[in-house]
Amino acid sequence: DTAVSQTPKYLVTQMGNDKSIKCEQNLGHDTMYWYKQDSKKFLKIMFSYNNKELIINETVPNRFSPKSPDKAHLNLHINSLELGDSAVYFCASSQDAGQVQNIQYFGAGTRLSVL
Amino acid sequence: AQTVTQSQPEMSVQEAETVTLSCTYDTSESDYYLFWYKQPPSRQMILVIRQEAYKQQNATENRFSVNFQKAAKSFSLKISDSQLGDAAMYFCAYRSRSGGGADGLTFGKGTHLIIQP
Repeated sequence: DTAVSQTPKYLVTQMGNDKSIKCEQNLGHDTMYWYKQDSKKFLKIMFSYNNKELIINETVPNRFSPKSPDKAHLNLHINSLELGDSAVYFCASSQDAGQVQNIQYFGAGTRLSVL
Repeated sequence: AQTVTQSQPEMSVQEAETVTLSCTYDTSESDYYLFWYKQPPSRQMILVIRQEAYKQQNATENRFSVNFQKAAKSFSLKISDSQLGDAAMYFCAYRSRSGGGADGLTFGKGTHLIIQP
């Protein structure tokens, strides 16, 4: 069973559209994250979220919004897509406490191409 | 803010030999975690090894070991007996311990490791 799963794996869309990427984890973790990997492979945190707080990286445009229907899901909604949003988006999760705390497990990534 | 620097954009090693990937970081904190992640062409991010800053002993995982120098803020990864399957991008990452469970990872820009058969 996949621990952290993202859908879709590939997403091609036109500028100006609104799209969503879904993420689910079956690890029982209480914190989830979204990262963006640009064309030069640089990974940067966008959001982290647990049942207590949402932490937003200040450089993330407000066109991006995470939505968590429950503890196991953190979806990423993107409004008015721009060319510069083309990247690979990774979802991750971790457990706040215990011996394996702070290890983040990643999904396989979603490659978003904005035309 | 913390920063992570990987000064080697690309490294090449012969199969079965040993290679060391460099990583330095900058932080004012005393307690934190350091990680090496591997990203093969499949794009999947795979945890290779983890080090807790308060532990002096260097972490090891089979053929992978680290040289953690806290005073120098250095965290290098040594891969022994390199195998073709080790070919990937390797990312060094930092995570604060003080911020609680919601802290994201700060990544370096990565080192592309090539294994020569």
